[in-house]
Amino acid sequence: AQTVTQSQPEMSVQEAETVTLSCTYDTSESDYYLFWYKQPPSRQMILVIRQEAYKQQNATENRFSVNFQKAAKSFSLKISDSQLGDAAMYFCAYRGKNTGNQFYFGTGTSLTVIP
Amino acid sequence: DAMVIQNPRYQVTQFGKPVTLSCSQTLNHNVMYWYQQKSSQAPKLLFHYYDKDFNNEADTPDNFQSRRPNTSFCFLDIRSPGLGDAAMYLCATSRAGGPSYEQYFGPGTRLTVT
Repeated sequence: AQTVTQSQPEMSVQEAETVTLSCTYDTSESDYYLFWYKQPPSRQMILVIRQEAYKQQNATENRFSVNFQKAAKSFSLKISDSQLGDAAMYFCAYRGKNTGNQFYFGTGTSLTVIP
Repeated sequence: DAMVIQNPRYQVTQFGKPVTLSCSQTLNHNVMYWYQQKSSQAPKLLFHYYDKDFNNEADTPDNFQSRRPNTSFCFLDIRSPGLGDAAMYLCATSRAGGPSYEQYFGPGTRLTVT
């Protein structure tokens, strides 16, 4: 089964600074999708960014970007110009393209933004 | 706006008293999921439907059941809630076969068992 590992249970960043959250995964599949989800306290889980494994170019969404290293099975999230509203739990998730509809989640990283 | 809706947002039930949580979606997605999430933990998949095909996780207790009467609705039934079942229950949807593969989550139902 696929596994997703987030080795940083907690991270903190100064407002306006940059922070990188780590994620590694294990799979034998060649085609898959990777996601970062954000879950603010007591609020809805929302998609931050997604990456398709067959695309070499790293995905970016405004202040959010990823560093996707397929050979290393690494998928880190960089948040630039951190804002107070970025404080949340961040979950890394994996979905195989051709092996079913399940998503595999990491254990999450709790991000604190310091004013 | 297309969305995933969960009702109720908060549910209090008594120990052993059956409870049903509901989820509806306007996204017309063919896959619907139920997750259990306890404080500061990752969501734990209970089961999912691909159209009418039910897929149960091996470690989901028999106490948890689900129904999907049509594409738009999915229900989670907890037959005899225990104190350990107190959690946030998340419904999510996705499209099998693309073009977008991400999950869309509802706001969750927080279940309290007294």
